[in-house]
Amino acid sequence: EVQLVESGGGLVKPGSSLKLSCVASGFTFSSYGMHWIRQAPKKGLEWIALIYYDSSNKYYADSVKGRFTISRDNSKNTLYLEMNSLRSEDTAMYYCAKLGTTDYWGQGVMVTVSS
Amino acid sequence: EIVLTQSPTTMAASPGEKVTLNCLASSSVSYMNWYQQKSGASPKLWIYGTSNLASGVPNRFSGSGSGTSYSLTISSMEAEDVATYYCLQLSSYPPTFGSGTKLEIK
Repeated sequence: EVQLVESGGGLVKPGSSLKLSCVASGFTFSSYGMHWIRQAPKKGLEWIALIYYDSSNKYYADSVKGRFTISRDNSKNTLYLEMNSLRSEDTAMYYCAKLGTTDYWGQGVMVTVSS
Repeated sequence: EIVLTQSPTTMAASPGEKVTLNCLASSSVSYMNWYQQKSGASPKLWIYGTSNLASGVPNRFSGSGSGTSYSLTISSMEAEDVATYYCLQLSSYPPTFGSGTKLEIK
């Protein structure tokens, strides 16, 4: 059974940092590009970052570029999202996902940025 | 960045009614994926490659389109289809989602 399990969310103050993790199982994690997608409360889905299977390329949405860093450790089947200089508008449910013909999403982890 | 515009934003359909959801891209894309998201749940891939149903999706759903215009059609609305549907393009970076269509039942 495929599982993606996110962790590391929580309530933080503006300007703070947070690092999310996503542990994958049930598929060959090291063979696929992985994404982070977020959804603000009662809003739509926003793609924010992609990392290639071998970490050779990384892409970011303009809204997070320069503040967020995506990374992965294929030996641990784990995807990361390091978030710095957090703003109130970063408040959202964060999902890790493998997108494509076969498509897997985690259950999401909530990040709340508030003073 | 390719902007995806979904219409309508919200709609209500009666059981048995045919439903069409639209997704318009600001530039041509090779294909479109569609997701279904129910309240409190993660999105689920519903249609991939414009017209291919994901595993377990009822065959009352279909997808079509090309270039800048894509659609998801339900041939006969059922109560379990109540959800928000999003289109997603992966043809061009960055990937972009449409803003969603919330589908309700009358």
